[in-house]
Amino acid sequence: DAGVIQSPRHEVTEMGQEVTLRCKPISGHDYLFWYRQTMMRGLELLIYFNNNVPIDDSGMPEDRFSAKMPNASFSTLKIQPSEPRDSAVYFCASNPEGGEQYFGPGTRLTVT
Amino acid sequence: AQSVTQPDIHITVSEGASLELRCNYSYGATPYLFWYVQSPGQGLQLLLKYFSGDTLVQGIKGFEAEFKRSQSSFNLRKPSVHWSDAAEYFCAVAPPNDYKLSFGAGTTVTVRA
Repeated sequence: DAGVIQSPRHEVTEMGQEVTLRCKPISGHDYLFWYRQTMMRGLELLIYFNNNVPIDDSGMPEDRFSAKMPNASFSTLKIQPSEPRDSAVYFCASNPEGGEQYFGPGTRLTVT
Repeated sequence: AQSVTQPDIHITVSEGASLELRCNYSYGATPYLFWYVQSPGQGLQLLLKYFSGDTLVQGIKGFEAEFKRSQSSFNLRKPSVHWSDAAEYFCAVAPPNDYKLSFGAGTTVTVRA
């Protein structure tokens, strides 16, 4: 298995632009998670899905952030408009029912 | 709400020496407990987990952790570190039967020759 796949690995954009981060979970995993990692706040859970349905989005910082999971093999995290304080590494993770979470390699986002 | 404290931000250890990383949690009941490792520029890899049962848990790469309910701790240990163990280590907790992980701030381990 290729593991959790995230794209792009690096993204540099200007403030105000829309950013879309992509994730392909491991096949057969029912749960998908989006995390953000920064020096100041550490690792934070943003949102997670179960069977493509958002279960808890209480970690989403504000309305500029949105996440979707249109099918079992794909999810997006969108930031519109982006701001410099959104600069971070964004991780996607997935796990099967009763199993451990596997993390993707992350997307390093820089907003200038 | 659950919280996780890793008191040590940075630890330096000599190759071949033992390593212990501390983790304390705050939660109303016994949560699920995890240790993850993150190498530079990489995602997180699970080292070990505790759900219930034997309080001494064996993981990958020669790591073990001990759950102590009385101290609300889940410390990670390795008897003899290798240079490849240099990384950042995260303790995490989740409510029982849930997958919402809350992470500690992490401990960076440097291994000197």
